[in-house]
Amino acid sequence: DVKVTQSSRYLVKRTGEKVFLECVQDMDHENMFWYRQDPGLGLRLIYFSYDVKMKEKGDIPEGYSVSREKKERFSLILESASTNQTSMYLCASSLISEETQYFGPGTRLLVL
Amino acid sequence: GESVGLHLPTLSVQEGDNSIINCAYSNSASDYFIWYKQESGKGPQFIIDIRSNMDKRQGQRVTVLLNKTVKHLSLQIAATQPGDSAVYFCAETPSSGSARQLTFGSGTQLTVLP
Repeated sequence: DVKVTQSSRYLVKRTGEKVFLECVQDMDHENMFWYRQDPGLGLRLIYFSYDVKMKEKGDIPEGYSVSREKKERFSLILESASTNQTSMYLCASSLISEETQYFGPGTRLLVL
Repeated sequence: GESVGLHLPTLSVQEGDNSIINCAYSNSASDYFIWYKQESGKGPQFIIDIRSNMDKRQGQRVTVLLNKTVKHLSLQIAATQPGDSAVYFCAETPSSGSARQLTFGSGTQLTVLP
């Protein structure tokens, strides 16, 4: 079974803090994705990566950056957290040749 | 832009009845569709998928129907159980594009009544 884990289930940060969200997958997937999920808006893609050190912007990259130094690990960074970044953050992974994405449990981030 | 949407944001069904959750999509280039289930406080879980060269696919208690003519997708759950209560998302992807990105609908909340 694919396992995608995220470093924290719940996180509370203050405005202006730097926030790191980490995602690890154990199935040797090439693709990894970061989404945020907000009521009524569904899942929106922030960034994705199809290989180590490769990254591409999704639909809403502003205010975020990512890092993929190892194949199994994909980090989302909020350089200076703002209250409008309060959300549920979901990581997913998939094989390079397949469409099915497997999700982690999510990190619920509250920025005060 | 392209969008994937759902007809109803909420659906309530009696335990034991069949559930039908609908989804409309607008991208005629979409060739792969997937349904996810998301329980409260958890990440989305894969349920079933279908390619555009099929119009029906069955899994355990679930069936996905694809009508390409009207760009409509539905998920049918047979003999709905309390454990089926969750938000259900459809997602689609076109036949090309980097990393096979998915476009997600906003979800339907299914509530199973005792």
